[in-house]
Amino acid sequence: DAGVTQSPTHLIKTRGQQVTLRCSPKSGHDTVSWYQQALGQGPQFIFQYYEEEERQRGNFPDRFSGHQFPNYSSELNVNALLLGDSALYLCASSPQDTILYNEQFFGPGTRLTVL
Amino acid sequence: GQNIDQPTEMTATEGAIVQINCTYQTSGFNGLFWYQQHAGEAPTFLSYNVLDGLEEKGRFSSFLSRSKGYSYLLLKELQMKDSASYLCAVTTDSWGKLQFGAGTQVVVTP
Repeated sequence: DAGVTQSPTHLIKTRGQQVTLRCSPKSGHDTVSWYQQALGQGPQFIFQYYEEEERQRGNFPDRFSGHQFPNYSSELNVNALLLGDSALYLCASSPQDTILYNEQFFGPGTRLTVL
Repeated sequence: GQNIDQPTEMTATEGAIVQINCTYQTSGFNGLFWYQQHAGEAPTFLSYNVLDGLEEKGRFSSFLSRSKGYSYLLLKELQMKDSASYLCAVTTDSWGKLQFGAGTQVVVTP
């Protein structure tokens, strides 16, 4: 089992550009959540996908959007990049029926640098 | 607002015990998680508490008091590999959204 995988590992963009990050959940997991982790901070919840729908959203602007595919993999899109979007973007997966009391598995993250 | 507070950094000696405190003020509570995160790596799950009391798992134990909005993670017989950031996270809704504290950097010295 490969666990949660994310691509790319690192990415450098300039202000105003757009970026797409990808996540493949752990086998058997149908729920994917995205988090942003700034340096020295804890992860901040961006949104969660289940059954190809955005089910819940954190305090992030509409520039942040996502998608979930029928195979449960997910994408995070960020438009009009700002310097402040530089962070580690983490994807976490879980089976929906155990998400409340069981661990969510995190991927290694994508390190995004905006210049 | 939602507040989850933990100390920024703690230093301890190899073989010793360290206790990392976490206090939370949230609207609602469904459970509290502790994660370990080594620099540049993914957070990995350590423990989960939903009822008051102590949960023990090997060298790691976690305690919860819901009435006080307080938890701690106890790391015993510290090893150099335990040097990492320890994240306290609370869930308050039925979707499993994790609300994290800023993390406590534990430095283990020889």
